[in-house]
Amino acid sequence: ETGVTQSPTHLIKTRGQQVTLRCSSQSGHNTVSWYQQALGQGPQFIFQYYREEENGRGNFPPRFSGLQFPNYSSELNVNALELDDSALYLCASSLDLNTGELFFGEGSRLTVL
Amino acid sequence: QKEVEQDPGPLSVPEGAIVSLNCTYSNSAFQYFMWYRQYSRKGPELLMYTYSSGNKEDGRFTAQVDKSSKYISLFIRDSQPSDSATYLCAMSANTGNQFYFGTGTSLTVIP
Repeated sequence: ETGVTQSPTHLIKTRGQQVTLRCSSQSGHNTVSWYQQALGQGPQFIFQYYREEENGRGNFPPRFSGLQFPNYSSELNVNALELDDSALYLCASSLDLNTGELFFGEGSRLTVL
Repeated sequence: QKEVEQDPGPLSVPEGAIVSLNCTYSNSAFQYFMWYRQYSRKGPELLMYTYSSGNKEDGRFTAQVDKSSKYISLFIRDSQPSDSATYLCAMSANTGNQFYFGTGTSLTVIP
């Protein structure tokens, strides 16, 4: 059974640029959630996708957007990058909406200069 | 007031000690609770998942939930140096909703 995989693992961008992060959910899981973890902090919920539809969003501006594909993989897009966007971006998958257990990938570490 | 409060530590214990990690929360609607272990620069690893109040045991780990006090705990018996990591609590009112995380407690087990 393949776990949650994320790419890229590390990337560096400059202010104002755009970034796309990718996530492959665990086999059989149809729900994907994205979290942002700043240094020394707990993960903060960005949004969740269930069967290609957004199913909830945290307190993040619209320049954070996402997609889920028919194979349940997902993308997180961030436009107009700001310095404060520097963080570890975590993707978590769960079996479905009724199963609370979140299984995380290793994350994508974004540095904005 | 934060949804979830967790003492950041750091906590340092000798090998073999019993470790107690705790979180408090303010939202009485929370009923799904998880504990994660996160090694430096890695993704969180799910340790325990519990629903509502009560205890759950898995090997050296025991999770306790006291909804009346809005307080959850994770106990680690016979702690090992490999347990050195940051421990995160997470909770939610509904499985389909966002989970709220604590800031994490940094644990070091000294050989």
